[in-house]
Amino acid sequence: NAGVTQTPKFRVLKTGQSMTLLCAQDMNHEYMYWYRQDPGMGLRLIHYSVGEGTTAKGEVPDGYNVSRLKKQNFLLGLESAAPSQTSVYFCASTPRQGVADTQYFGPGTRLTVL
Amino acid sequence: AQSVTQPDIHITVSEGASLELRCNYSYGATPYLFWYVQSPGQGLQLLLKYFSGDTLVQGIKGFEAEFKRSQSSFNLRKPSVHWSDAAEYFCAVTHGISGGSNYKLTFGKGTLLTVNP
Repeated sequence: NAGVTQTPKFRVLKTGQSMTLLCAQDMNHEYMYWYRQDPGMGLRLIHYSVGEGTTAKGEVPDGYNVSRLKKQNFLLGLESAAPSQTSVYFCASTPRQGVADTQYFGPGTRLTVL
Repeated sequence: AQSVTQPDIHITVSEGASLELRCNYSYGATPYLFWYVQSPGQGLQLLLKYFSGDTLVQGIKGFEAEFKRSQSSFNLRKPSVHWSDAAEYFCAVTHGISGGSNYKLTFGKGTLLTVNP
């Protein structure tokens, strides 16, 4: 049981390039989330998904797209990377959307946009 | 709007000393509160959570937190800090997303804990 995994761990992009971050969970969780973490800002929600085939915007969605074609995978895409998207990206999942449910986090992807 | 404030950006304590990390929340209804810890280069791990019942909550690694509704606080404590506790600590509150039954976490900005030998 690997929990929540993220691919890749590190990436450097040039401005305007595109890339996709992959989040995978093997816990059969319904809900998945993408956050970004910036110094002094805590974690901010980018997009989330309440089930296979559904996605919704979070707090800071601009410049990102997501897809949840399979229950276990949640992809975060950057179509045209900008330096402001330099950040550490975390994926998380919960079994359901209960108010007290714990979110399980992946190890993060450190992205640098030059 | 819901918010979480962690007043201390960085705290330094000596190994063996007691620790208290502060967290204040702003939320109109009953909050559901969490403390997460992030070790260097790692993802976040849940320490403890409060959603009802006893206001003193026990967590992993010897941590506890007390919910005080009158002070809108959920401070994290540990009687004796170990060097391995050096990490960043995040307080978070769950609240409903308007118009739906989905909930999302709002995080504080974190408190970085340094432990001196």
